[in-house]
Amino acid sequence: AQSVTQLGSHVSVSEGALVLLRCNYSSSVPPYLFWYVQYPNQGLQLLLKYTSAATLVKGINGFEAEFKKSETSFHLTKPSAHMSDAAEYFCAVRGVAGTALIFGKGTTLSVSS
Amino acid sequence: GAGVSQSPSNKVTEKGKDVELRCDPISGHTALYWYRQRLGQGLEFLIYFQGNSAPDKSGLPSDRFSAERTGESVSTLTIQRTQQEDSAVYLCASRATGGDYGYTFGSGTRLTVV
Repeated sequence: AQSVTQLGSHVSVSEGALVLLRCNYSSSVPPYLFWYVQYPNQGLQLLLKYTSAATLVKGINGFEAEFKKSETSFHLTKPSAHMSDAAEYFCAVRGVAGTALIFGKGTTLSVSS
Repeated sequence: GAGVSQSPSNKVTEKGKDVELRCDPISGHTALYWYRQRLGQGLEFLIYFQGNSAPDKSGLPSDRFSAERTGESVSTLTIQRTQQEDSAVYLCASRATGGDYGYTFGSGTRLTVV
């Protein structure tokens, strides 16, 4: 079975500061891992995904994530936060091919000026 | 189409009524998923269609929930005898088999049961 834990339901940073959103997963098979962003009243937009190739994955809007098998983690980072990064972020895991993504509960990122 | 389209975008219904939510996937995407997102919560998997295979209904919360999909086209999620706890955003996603494993989400239908 697959599961995702996002540590911290709410993260606040200052504009220009490092963004770190934590995600740990559990999977009985080699996982595929995803980060999605959701802006208010909108659907989910894919930020980046890990599909067993390079462990450091670069996504859109300057975000990246590193797959660490030994830590069962896939934390999302961005070196310098922008006000426009304020949104809800979801980590998701897919195990067996073709099955649905299993999502974490989400982390709300707030960015202050 | 260019993206996943869901309709209506908003639906207010009275408790006890039936509702139908529609999802138009990206053309050529064989897989289609429905999720429910309650206020302040993550996404809860409901049902998954893959081509002409039997759907994976393991996430449906009760027998009041059902979904249909004809081939690789439109899907309809039906909620019968709606309850207030059904109030949520219902999201649909589609995916092409093989390739880059991308799941594309629609903007959702916000259902409010009053």
